[in-house]
Amino acid sequence: DAGVIQSPRHEVTEMGQEVTLRCKPISGHDYLFWYRQTMMRGLELLIYFNNNVPIDDSGMPEDRFSAKMPNASFSTLKIQPSEPRDSAVYFCASSLGLGFPSWYTFGSGTRLTVV
Amino acid sequence: GESVGLHLPTLSVQEGDNSIINCAYSNSASDYFIWYKQESGKGPQFIIDIRSNMDKRQGQRVTVLLNKTVKHLSLQIAATQPGDSAVYFCAEIESGGGADGLTFGKGTHLIIQP
Repeated sequence: DAGVIQSPRHEVTEMGQEVTLRCKPISGHDYLFWYRQTMMRGLELLIYFNNNVPIDDSGMPEDRFSAKMPNASFSTLKIQPSEPRDSAVYFCASSLGLGFPSWYTFGSGTRLTVV
Repeated sequence: GESVGLHLPTLSVQEGDNSIINCAYSNSASDYFIWYKQESGKGPQFIIDIRSNMDKRQGQRVTVLLNKTVKHLSLQIAATQPGDSAVYFCAEIESGGGADGLTFGKGTHLIIQP
């Protein structure tokens, strides 16, 4: 298995532009998570899905952020319009379930820089 | 809200020595406590976890200790190697219907000196 696949690995964009991050979870994993990592705040859960349905989006910073999971093998995290404070590494993770830590697998992340 | 945090941001040890990374947590309802390793340019990688009803668990060169009395978690790495250089995160999870998913601490950067 190739693991959780994220694209792009790096994204540099200008303030005000739309940014779309992509994730392909591990086949058979029912849960998909989006995390954001910054030096100041560490790893924060933004949103997670169960069977393609968003369950908890309380971590999404504001309305500029949106996430979708149109099918079991693909999810997107969109920022529109982007701002410099959105610069961070965004991780996608998938899991067979919520309760067992060893089931969680993280992708390699997308490093977003908004200038 | 409740949080998981780390005592030291950076730990430097000599190659071959043992390392101990510490973590404080505050959510008494957590069912599992976990250690992750994150190498540069990669996502967090699961190392070892411990259930809340245990106080010690051993893996290959790693041992996790849980002290629920003082809400303290530690990761011991024996005979550290250059490949152990990374940022280590503690995390917790409440699997019984409380907080969703993993909650992470801020990380400790482990540096292995040759």
